[in-house]
Amino acid sequence: QVQLVESGGGVVQPGRSLRLSCAASGFTFNDYAMHWVRQAPGKGLEWVAVIFFDGSKKYYTDSAKGRFTISRDNSKSTVYLQINSLRAEDTAVYYCGRDSGQPLYSYLDFWGQGTQVTVSS
Amino acid sequence: ILMTQSPATLSVSPGERATLSCRASQSISSDLAWYQQRPGQSPRLLLYGASTRATGIPARFSGSGSGTEFTLTISGLQSEDLAVYYCQHYNNWPPVLTFGGGTKVEIK
Repeated sequence: QVQLVESGGGVVQPGRSLRLSCAASGFTFNDYAMHWVRQAPGKGLEWVAVIFFDGSKKYYTDSAKGRFTISRDNSKSTVYLQINSLRAEDTAVYYCGRDSGQPLYSYLDFWGQGTQVTVSS
Repeated sequence: ILMTQSPATLSVSPGERATLSCRASQSISSDLAWYQQRPGQSPRLLLYGASTRATGIPARFSGSGSGTEFTLTISGLQSEDLAVYYCQHYNNWPPVLTFGGGTKVEIK
């Protein structure tokens, strides 16, 4: 069955960097685009970024451009999210999700359990 | 495109019908998905294409609408349906996924 397992979250000081990972299994990873979505405490869902099958195309929400980098390693079936210059407002649960491909860049048909990022001094 | 959900909270008795609304600021055809997020859990895909149920989703969940007005209906509400429900518009060029603010369904 499809499984997405995020890791790499934690408590981080403002201005530091963090790399989140999402390990996928149960499907042919390099056939799917992959997303990151975040959820601040008590708030709704916010789409962050998506990466094409082979990593050749990447798209970000406006608030993520410049500090966030999405990448993937198909040999490890893993997608990453690098966040630089962390701010208090980046505090959230970060979810990875599989793009359905119907059509490309549409909705997420599977989600991971999320990893908590807390930015605090 | 902005997605607006209403009401923010809905209290429904078991066995009754819950009707949730999602409105787009401009026409989005049927490019809409619905998700359920139970307390402490990750979101789960319920519907896509505004009205097609995802695999394994019970028939009591149904969706309708196109253009700017969409509805998620839960018929015969069960206690396990306690959750926040989000609509999401997808625009595959440029790729942007936009979520509504969510509707919390409470069991009366």
